[in-house]
Amino acid sequence: ETGVTQTPRHLVMGMTNKKSLKCEQHLGHNAMYWYKQSAKKPLELMFVYSLEERVENNSVPSRFSPECPNSSHLFLHLHTLQPEDSALYLCASSRNGGGNTGELFFGEGSRLTVL
Amino acid sequence: GENVEQHPSTLSVQEGDSAVIKCTYSDSASNYFPWYKQELGKGPQLIIDIRSNVGEKKDQRIAVTLNKTAKHFSLHITETQPEDSAVYFCAASSGGYQKVTFGIGTKLQVIP
Repeated sequence: ETGVTQTPRHLVMGMTNKKSLKCEQHLGHNAMYWYKQSAKKPLELMFVYSLEERVENNSVPSRFSPECPNSSHLFLHLHTLQPEDSALYLCASSRNGGGNTGELFFGEGSRLTVL
Repeated sequence: GENVEQHPSTLSVQEGDSAVIKCTYSDSASNYFPWYKQELGKGPQLIIDIRSNVGEKKDQRIAVTLNKTAKHFSLHITETQPEDSAVYFCAASSGGYQKVTFGIGTKLQVIP
């Protein structure tokens, strides 16, 4: 148990569907992240929120829309996805939002399959 | 931007033997190098990290070395056990909202 909980763990959706991934951290951290993990590729940073403000957006297509209503919750809204978006989506949190101060705490991920 | 290369991509060792995973990075401004272990069905978890003002760090059976001049860093696991079987990721960071660049991962299999 890392203190970061992701739901759902598995999601299958069609290209025209709209769904959301949810992440909750119970660690009192100030920063939250979305990463994409695809086979045979490095982890790709998608979005970073620090104190509920988006501070990084790594050229992610607009069909991915993040939302951070408070420092404990992070969502990734999905719409009109493509099959190549199928991957494991990992949420992470860290104590501080700025500087390389240490550890990222990851959730167990949401396995997304786009048909 | 930063580029982290990691090898080997897969590694099989006999239980009790040592395992070494090597990484190189490109950005001389990188000053923090964490290693994460990802077990099947779980998210990555930090196992050890090293900062650029240190050349070596050890924690029980795992150790990390850093050569800043050559931009190399390595993970060493001694006396491997079956529970060490997992995917290991190296990473490099120069700061700024935990912007960490990961390597591609090494799948380690420890054969009992």
